[in-house]
Amino acid sequence: DTGVSQDPRHKITKRGQNVTFRCDPISEHNRLYWYRQTLGQGPEFLTYFQNEAQLEKSRLLSDRFSAERPKGSFSTLEIQRTEQGDSAMYLCASSPPTSGGTNEQFFGPGTRLTVL
Amino acid sequence: KNQVEQSPQSLIILEGKNCTLQCNYTVSPFSNLRWYKQDTGRGPVSLTIMTFSENTKSNGRYTATLDADTKQSSLHITASQLSDSASYICVVSVAGNQFYFGTGTSLTVIP
Repeated sequence: DTGVSQDPRHKITKRGQNVTFRCDPISEHNRLYWYRQTLGQGPEFLTYFQNEAQLEKSRLLSDRFSAERPKGSFSTLEIQRTEQGDSAMYLCASSPPTSGGTNEQFFGPGTRLTVL
Repeated sequence: KNQVEQSPQSLIILEGKNCTLQCNYTVSPFSNLRWYKQDTGRGPVSLTIMTFSENTKSNGRYTATLDADTKQSSLHITASQLSDSASYICVVSVAGNQFYFGTGTSLTVIP
């Protein structure tokens, strides 16, 4: 297994367009997280899945954002009607079933979104 | 309010020198604390993870300390290398799946 992968790595779009990002977690990791990170800041939590269930959503996740994990494996994050403020790095992380309470997250390389 | 604060915001050191990064948190109830290294344009990579009962943990030239009483952690880097140039992020988690991220310390190692 090569770790968490994200696609695309970079996306440039015009304001108002829709974009979709994909995250493939590490095999057998049942938990998956999406974060947004702007320059010079730490990652901000967006949403969390356990298997296919979306258990938690941040208030940062406006109506224009939607995430899915239909089969409990890969996940997609869609942003509709993009705005310039959506420009950021979108990070995905996965965790194995809780073991020993360490709850470690493994991050993907991120998708860099630029909205013109 | 659950917060994680890191200092300094940025740091420049000469290759071969040591440095220490700080993390103060107000997160409760505490579960564990991690230090991540994030290279520019990449996702964070875990360096150490510490639970409540651990005071010190090392990973090569990286040594993390935790004082659960004062809610402080430090990351000490020994004999810095150019490849240590990155952002270092402190993350504190509570039981379950709540993670609180610091804004990171940007470290630049110069020859």
